[in-house]
Amino acid sequence: NAGVTQTPKFQVLKTGQSMTLQCAQDMNHEYMSWYRQDPGMGLRLIHYSVGAGITDQGEVPNGYNVSRSTTEDFPLRLLSAAPSQTSVYFCASTPPGTDSYEQYFGPGTRLTVT
Amino acid sequence: DAKTTQPPSMDCAEGRAANLPCNHSTISGNEYVYWYRQIHSQGPQYIIHGLKNNETNEMASLIITEDRKSSTLILPHATLRDTAVYYCIVRVVRVVTTDSWGKLQFGAGTQVVVTP
Repeated sequence: NAGVTQTPKFQVLKTGQSMTLQCAQDMNHEYMSWYRQDPGMGLRLIHYSVGAGITDQGEVPNGYNVSRSTTEDFPLRLLSAAPSQTSVYFCASTPPGTDSYEQYFGPGTRLTVT
Repeated sequence: DAKTTQPPSMDCAEGRAANLPCNHSTISGNEYVYWYRQIHSQGPQYIIHGLKNNETNEMASLIITEDRKSSTLILPHATLRDTAVYYCIVRVVRVVTTDSWGKLQFGAGTQVVVTP
């Protein structure tokens, strides 16, 4: 298994541009999440999904959209990039059938908005 | 969810045991204690979790006090590759509803530096 994969690894955007961060997992995990991490800070939840077709907002959803058309993929879309969205973005997934929040994280996408 | 308190940093000598404390005095009876770590520039990595019994796996041991108000993560033989930020998190047992999922909250964690 490749686990959780994210593309691209690095991205530079100009203010106002839009883009999609890709996340995929090949472990048949139901639950997937997007977090952002700013320098020196912990992770903050952006959006999450409990299965295909179901998404919900996390702690900091403004400026981001998500969709979950398949179990494997959970893309994060920046609608109109702002310098405040400069951050490292992590995608995570959790296996089904457990009573815990064990999460598997991808390697991250480092985004700079100028 | 209960909040946690961890020291901001600690050093450990290579080969020695690293004992990482975490206070969670407001923890509820149905909340697990989780530990994750994040090595520089990588995604967080799950280490271990427990409810009230001590737990051990190939990476670490988790000791939870009888009153469950604090816990200690033990890395039995620290290596240089264990240098990372370690996060202690408490979270209710997962209930399969959209309202309860997705709120695994990471705090600032403890920066552990293992030195030769």
